Amino acid sequence: EVQLVQSGAEVKKSGESLKISCKGSGYNFIRYWIGWVRQKPGKGLEWMGIIYPGDSDTRYSPSFEGQVTISAETSITTAYLQLNSLKASDTAMYYCARQAYGDYAADYWGQGTLVTVSS
Amino acid sequence: SSELTQPPSMSVSPGQTARITCSGDALPKQHVYWYQQKAGQAPVLVIYKDSKRPSGIPERFSGSSSGTTVTLTISGVQAEDEADYYCQSSDINNIGVFGGGTKLTVL
Repeated sequence: EVQLVQSGAEVKKSGESLKISCKGSGYNFIRYWIGWVRQKPGKGLEWMGIIYPGDSDTRYSPSFEGQVTISAETSITTAYLQLNSLKASDTAMYYCARQAYGDYAADYWGQGTLVTVSS
Repeated sequence: SSELTQPPSMSVSPGQTARITCSGDALPKQHVYWYQQKAGQAPVLVIYKDSKRPSGIPERFSGSSSGTTVTLTISGVQAEDEADYYCQSSDINNIGVFGGGTKLTVL
């Protein structure tokens, strides 16, 4: 069974950094792209970026380029999203999602990680 | 990827048909994917490549495309279909974008 399990909720202060994890299991981790999606409270989904763990090829939405860092550690089948210099506006639910093989569909999703940033 | 535009909301009575549109200039060249997100839950893929339905998704969900507009159709809407629906596409560089989402209310 394919599963993406994300790290738990976080409460941070403005200016701090944070690294969220997404552990994949039940499939060949290195052969599927994994993307990250942001959802602010009461708002829509925002596509942030995506990584191919097999060779660490990473693509970012122009809206998030330079603002976040996506990485992966194949030995432990885990993808990461790093957020630096957190601001209150980074308060959101963050989802990881696997991209279907040979397609652009996000076929499996993590449960989400709620990040709250207080000033 | 260019922008995708969806109506913010729509409402239908049980048993009726809901049609949710998604418009974008790049859509004649890109496939569209549809996700259902119920309150407090992660999104679920309901349509891929414009019109294909993943296993486990009820047959009442279907998709179609015409030029710069794609449509998610839910036939015989049920109360459990009340949710937010998002379209998504990706360009040739695998950069994705979501539409703003449509809140479907079942009256």
